[in-house]
Amino acid sequence: DAKTTQPPSMDCAEGRAANLPCNHSTISGNEYVYWYRQIHSQGPQYIIHGLKNNETNEMASLIITEDRKSSTLILPHATLRDTAVYYCIVRAYTGTASKLTFGTGTRLQVTL
Amino acid sequence: DADVTQTPRNRITKTGKRIMLECSQTKGHDRMYWYRQDPGLGLRLIYYSFDVKDINKGEISDGYSVSRQAQAKFSLSLESAIPNQTALYFCATSDPRTSERGYNEQFFGPGTRLTVL
Repeated sequence: DAKTTQPPSMDCAEGRAANLPCNHSTISGNEYVYWYRQIHSQGPQYIIHGLKNNETNEMASLIITEDRKSSTLILPHATLRDTAVYYCIVRAYTGTASKLTFGTGTRLQVTL
Repeated sequence: DADVTQTPRNRITKTGKRIMLECSQTKGHDRMYWYRQDPGLGLRLIYYSFDVKDINKGEISDGYSVSRQAQAKFSLSLESAIPNQTALYFCATSDPRTSERGYNEQFFGPGTRLTVL
């Protein structure tokens, strides 16, 4: 699996957009980008995933660069409840295994 | 009711004791996983199972064993607990047959905080 690099921490004002970057320069053509978050020692929660097109769901948007070497998770209007550690994971879309490799993630602090 | 439950939620034990952590799921998923998380670090995979007859080691399986008693139950055992096994343990499930979000969408339990003295 491709390795990912994320900043250790970020701050964001409540109501503003939170843009969380992730570098994955060694990503392979069959690998997807997944984002999970973990709120204060709870179990991680799936947010979104994508291959090469930008994706949006009710929680967030995912922007993947054209060369697929980096991506950005966007929380359009961050709230205090979005304070969490966000993990970027690159993983092949395969039916033979579903093992996720979690790095140290980005700790997002949303403030008033 | 939660889809993935873990018992106990907290456990304090002594070095050398045998400990079992249990995970149950009502999602009907075929794949189950055990992870551990140390303070300030990401999750690391201990064991995973794709069905009742399938058990696979993860990246840090030494000192642990598992049992898949049924599709819905996956237990993690520490045969002789040691202090460096003090961590937060998570169980997770997935099922590529039913996930609309891809093979790698996993559903996590609330975690078990284990302290080995």
